[in-house]
Amino acid sequence: DQQVKQNSPSLSVQEGRISILNCDYTNSMFDYFLWYKKYPAEGPTFLISISSIKDKNEDGRFTVFLNKSAKHLSLHIVPSQPGDSAVYFCAASAPDFGNEKLTFGTGTRLTIIP
Amino acid sequence: GAGVSQTPSNKVTEKGKYVELRCDPISGHTALYWYRQSLGQGPEFLIYFQGTGAADDSGLPNDRFFAVRPEGSVSTLKIQRTERGDSAVYLCASSSKAGGDYNEQFFGPGTRLTVL
Repeated sequence: DQQVKQNSPSLSVQEGRISILNCDYTNSMFDYFLWYKKYPAEGPTFLISISSIKDKNEDGRFTVFLNKSAKHLSLHIVPSQPGDSAVYFCAASAPDFGNEKLTFGTGTRLTIIP
Repeated sequence: GAGVSQTPSNKVTEKGKYVELRCDPISGHTALYWYRQSLGQGPEFLIYFQGTGAADDSGLPNDRFFAVRPEGSVSTLKIQRTERGDSAVYLCASSSKAGGDYNEQFFGPGTRLTVL
């Protein structure tokens, strides 16, 4: 049972345009959501997070939106840059074990076209 | 080095053999996590240590998998009687968990395990 879903395995975006990556979840106990970025042969790197008490969090070019009623979150990158090309993972945690266990989606490979 | 390190970076073994994978967390981080990433999937939680004790081992797939962290720093993931289905990238992460709200997990580069 995939509790965190990223339905788009890949996405190509022109440099300078907006990249929108989507994520859906099924477990209503999730209360903290994160986006990780992964380059080949490296471990995932934390990008941005959002608590369930908020509906938006912004950090520079990156903004995460959370729609709890739809159990949906999205990551917006604007403007997109070639260095943003990577695999992006959505992850979620629940407070039952102190929010320690992350449940990841299957990832979306973002390619920025120069 | 400031980051999480994992050794070896690659491990090839034969079915039925025993393997050990090592993780050196960021100095001072009390929490340590192991995840497994199979091809085309996201990382899957295996086990979480707070200090020397395993606080949550609910992700270990079966009793062939075991992990230790005897001194609250370095951790070793041990896999007995390896099977071809164990082939994956094993990721380690650490955080400065001090209770309360979520703390960011910092990941190492992983160990790619191939069971022939």
